[in-house]
Amino acid sequence: NAGVMQNPRHLVRRRGQEARLRCSPMKGHSHVYWYRQLPEEGLKFMVYLQKENIIDESGMPKERFSAEFPKEGPSILRIQQVVRGDSAAYFCASSPPRGSFYEQYFGPGTRLTVT
Amino acid sequence: KQEVTQIPAALSVPEGENLVLNCSFTDSAIYNLQWFRQDPGKGLTSLLLIQSSQREQTSGRLNASLDKSSGRSTLYIAASQPGDSATYLCAVSRNQGGKLIFGQGTELSVKP
Repeated sequence: NAGVMQNPRHLVRRRGQEARLRCSPMKGHSHVYWYRQLPEEGLKFMVYLQKENIIDESGMPKERFSAEFPKEGPSILRIQQVVRGDSAAYFCASSPPRGSFYEQYFGPGTRLTVT
Repeated sequence: KQEVTQIPAALSVPEGENLVLNCSFTDSAIYNLQWFRQDPGKGLTSLLLIQSSQREQTSGRLNASLDKSSGRSTLYIAASQPGDSATYLCAVSRNQGGKLIFGQGTELSVKP
């Protein structure tokens, strides 16, 4: 069973461009979470999704950020008009629908650099 | 608002020592607590998960305890090895399937 997969692993964008980060959860997992780790800061929750539904987006910045988890395909975290302050490591985690007490399994992360 | 604190922020020990990492949280209404390991530039590896009704979990040389009423958890590492060098994070969730609230981590260095 492959782990959580994220791509790309590294992404460089110029200010004002769009960044799209992809996350494929572990097989059988229907819950996806996105977290951000800013330089010298801890991991912060951004958004929690189930298939076709946003469950909790309390950690998402109000503007420029959006997330989706379609019926088919990976979850996408989209950042429009990136700014230098968006440079960070973005981690995706997944958990099964029930059982394992909702233990979250993390992917390797996407490191976004905005120049 | 839940806050998670980890002490110490950094720890350096000689190989072979037993050590304890501490985690405290302000709101005892948690669903579970997870300990993770993060290597530089890498993702998080789940080490142990403790449900709110449990007191401890063990995996190999690792033992995690939970005292929910006092808002504390400890991660005990026996017979430390240089390969244990990493940042250790604890995180709590409030409800089933809920988001994790992370501490700042303890950076562990085990010297040969």
